[in-house]
Amino acid sequence: SQQGEEDPQALSIQEGENATMNCSYKTSINNLQWYRQNSGRGLVHLILIRSNEREKHSGRLRVTLDTSKKSSSLLITASRAADTASYFCATSREGGSTLGRLYFGRGTQLTVWP
Amino acid sequence: NAGVTQTPKFRVLKTGQSMTLLCAQDMNHEYMYWYRQDPGMGLRLIHYSVGEGTTAKGEVPDGYNVSRLKKQNFLLGLESAAPSQTSVYFCASRSQSIRGYTFGSGTRLTVV
Repeated sequence: SQQGEEDPQALSIQEGENATMNCSYKTSINNLQWYRQNSGRGLVHLILIRSNEREKHSGRLRVTLDTSKKSSSLLITASRAADTASYFCATSREGGSTLGRLYFGRGTQLTVWP
Repeated sequence: NAGVTQTPKFRVLKTGQSMTLLCAQDMNHEYMYWYRQDPGMGLRLIHYSVGEGTTAKGEVPDGYNVSRLKKQNFLLGLESAAPSQTSVYFCASRSQSIRGYTFGSGTRLTVV
């Protein structure tokens, strides 16, 4: 399966701490994306990293990609209570007829305590 | 700019009933997708469309049908609802050039 798998399933931290979530996948990819989902809401696109990139930043977010290990990590620095949400990685496979389909993992539930 | 709008937001069906979920996007996106989200399962692709008049099966298409008669709308139909179709359904869209998806806020469907 191409589906990404996030680790850990749940993460609980205090405000101000950093949160690190990991994603592993099985097949070659074109790009990997991270999404956030607040409770009862739709997913929101956070960041995309291409297979030829190793690191990308967006505000307090830092994403790394290691294609040799087929893994990615999402770091949220100086976390806030508003960062409480589920975080999903999603992979897009190279070429073929998949036409941009994304394969989602099961997510990491992040809780940030005030 | 509304993005992706899903209707209805909630629905309760009896087993065997039929219904249609509507997804509308105003971003002129070519690609549209229907996913279902179940606890502990992540998002699974039901059907998708790469343009007006075209549809294709995803990972879990059984029991569902779709239509994309207009570029901005993607309809998901349940012909004979089953309790196993109790789920939260999300529609998403993207353009050809931008890889990130825009999601709707979901439809929570319960089949009793």
